[in-house]
Amino acid sequence: EAEVAQSPRYKITEKSQAVAFWCDPISGHATLYWYRQILGQGPELLVQFQDESVVDDSQLPKDRFSAERLKGVDSTLKIQPAELGDSAMYLCASSPEQGGYEQYFGPGTRLTVT
Amino acid sequence: AQSVSQHNHHVILSEAASLELGCNYSYGGTVNLFWYVQYPGQHLQLLLKYFSGDPLVKGIKGFEAEFIKSKFSFNLRKPSVQWSDTAEYFCAVNAFGNEKLTFGTGTRLTIIP
Repeated sequence: EAEVAQSPRYKITEKSQAVAFWCDPISGHATLYWYRQILGQGPELLVQFQDESVVDDSQLPKDRFSAERLKGVDSTLKIQPAELGDSAMYLCASSPEQGGYEQYFGPGTRLTVT
Repeated sequence: AQSVSQHNHHVILSEAASLELGCNYSYGGTVNLFWYVQYPGQHLQLLLKYFSGDPLVKGIKGFEAEFIKSKFSFNLRKPSVQWSDTAEYFCAVNAFGNEKLTFGTGTRLTIIP
């Protein structure tokens, strides 16, 4: 069964350092999402891509976060500089062509900022 | 903007008990509704979904949910829970035509053998 891949699974970084997460969606899925899940809360959408284009990044803190999906396949989410409040689980999800609605989630990257 | 409320933060049940987890959403238009489950150490996976048609939807592992439009609710039910149902359950909604999912805060379910 095809799955969304994410790496690393765990990341510990110091405040003010840069950190990057990688996501490889299910093959053929055009839509890719990055979510942030703070402990005790539900996932919150950070950015949505349709192929290589950003569809929604209204909740992405653009002063420190950036995301790209250059070839419309895998994607990278970067934080620079990291802050203590960025400690969370970062989830990637993908779905088939726009309109499919069902999203498939990866295992996530647990980020701890010290 | 839509919002989702899950009022039960932690539910503890004995095996074979019946389960109902509440979910209410706030949005005036047509919605798609989902329940996702996250078992310990595993990723989020879809339990069931409602797009249209019969408001009673059945999902995997014996779960079902009923969409009551007048109450803006989409409660999750299971007649007899098992220890393996221990997990965190998230209700989510998106507006028809908009893929952005809004999640509730989740309900942690603990089943005592």
